[in-house]
Amino acid sequence: EVQLVESGGGLVKPGGSLRLSCAASGFTFSDYGINWVRQAPGKGLEWVSSISSSSGFIYFADSVKGRFTISRDNAKNSVYLQMNSLRAEDTALYYCARASGSVAGRYWGQGTLVTVSS
Amino acid sequence: SYVLTQPPSVSVAPGQTAKITCGGKNIGSKSVHWYQQKPGQAPVLVVHDDSDRPSGIPERFSGSNSENTATLTISRVEAGDEADYYCQVWDSSSDQYVFGSGTTVTVL
Repeated sequence: EVQLVESGGGLVKPGGSLRLSCAASGFTFSDYGINWVRQAPGKGLEWVSSISSSSGFIYFADSVKGRFTISRDNAKNSVYLQMNSLRAEDTALYYCARASGSVAGRYWGQGTLVTVSS
Repeated sequence: SYVLTQPPSVSVAPGQTAKITCGGKNIGSKSVHWYQQKPGQAPVLVVHDDSDRPSGIPERFSGSNSENTATLTISRVEAGDEADYYCQVWDSSSDQYVFGSGTTVTVL
């Protein structure tokens, strides 16, 4: 069974940093790209960042470019999202999702909540 | 950047057919994917590559894509189909995934 489990969310002040983790199991992790997708309270889905299977391709949404970085450790079946210079508008539930071709999320985790507030 | 436009809401009686549109410039040239999200739950892929269904998704869910509009069709709607539905594409010109704004389906 494919499982994706996010962690690392919490309350952080504007300008602060947070590192999210996504732990995967139930599939050959090194064969798949992983996406981070967020959802602000009461709002729609917003793609945040992607990392390919071997980290050769990395992409970011314009809204987070220059502030967020993404990495993965295939030996640990994990993906990380480092979020710096956080803003109130980054407040959201952050999902990690397994990509499949142009599909952003064939499988999804349950999300981790990030709240940016003073 | 590429924009996908969905109606905010669609209402349908049980047993009838719901059609959810997703508009985008020349979207017919892209592969469109659809997600269902129920309150408090993660999204679930219901249609991929315009019209294919993942295993476990009922045949009542179908999709089409042509010119500037993609459509998700839910036949014989059930109360359990009440959810938000999102379309999604990969925009190769900007190397970004793009989601539509979402459509809330209400079963009357």
